[in-house]
Amino acid sequence: QVQLVQSGAEVKKPGASVKVSCKASGYTFTDYYIHWVRQAPGQGLEWMGWINPNSGATHYAQNFQGRVTMTGDTSISTAYMELTSLTSDDAAVYYCAREGEDSGTYLKAFDYWGQGTLVAVSS
Amino acid sequence: QSALTQPASVSGSPEQSITISCTGTSSDVGSYNFVSWYQQYPGKAPKLMIYEVSKRPSGVSNRFSGSKSGNTASLTISGLQAEDEADYYCCSFADGSTPYGFGTGTKVTVL
Repeated sequence: QVQLVQSGAEVKKPGASVKVSCKASGYTFTDYYIHWVRQAPGQGLEWMGWINPNSGATHYAQNFQGRVTMTGDTSISTAYMELTSLTSDDAAVYYCAREGEDSGTYLKAFDYWGQGTLVAVSS
Repeated sequence: QSALTQPASVSGSPEQSITISCTGTSSDVGSYNFVSWYQQYPGKAPKLMIYEVSKRPSGVSNRFSGSKSGNTASLTISGLQAEDEADYYCCSFADGSTPYGFGTGTKVTVL
């Protein structure tokens, strides 16, 4: 069965960076885009960007340009999201999610999600 | 891209039907049939309920249905059940440098 398992909770100081991992299993890692979505406490979902694990190509939301880097390690079927220059506004649960596919067409929808990684930012 | 607009809350009695709206613009909902809906319980990851406006993934109850008219998409839950009490988010593909946007979220309460 398809699973996305994320790394554990992090506590960071303002100005620091955080790197969250997302290990995929149950499918061919390079066949599906991985997206990252975050959710601040009590708030809605915010799309951050995607990575094509096959090519390494990425596309980031404008709000995160210059501060986020998404990478993948195909040898261990793991995607990473690194966010730099953290502020209190970055305190959130960060999710990785797989973009679904049907008959060779990408769905532009997220069919499997990781369990989420809580990132706290505090001095 | 601004967040898509959803009502903050919708409620209904068991077995009733409710509809959640998701209003965007001609640059997102109005231009693409790539609207999806997600159900989220507190402290849990979202779950895909509808994709491409009206398609249901395998395993999702047929009590959930989706539609779109102009710049507004809708999710209808028929035969409301206690287990449907959750937050629901729409998402649309969009023009521009940020190609995905989520709705503001709707809390569904079963009375």
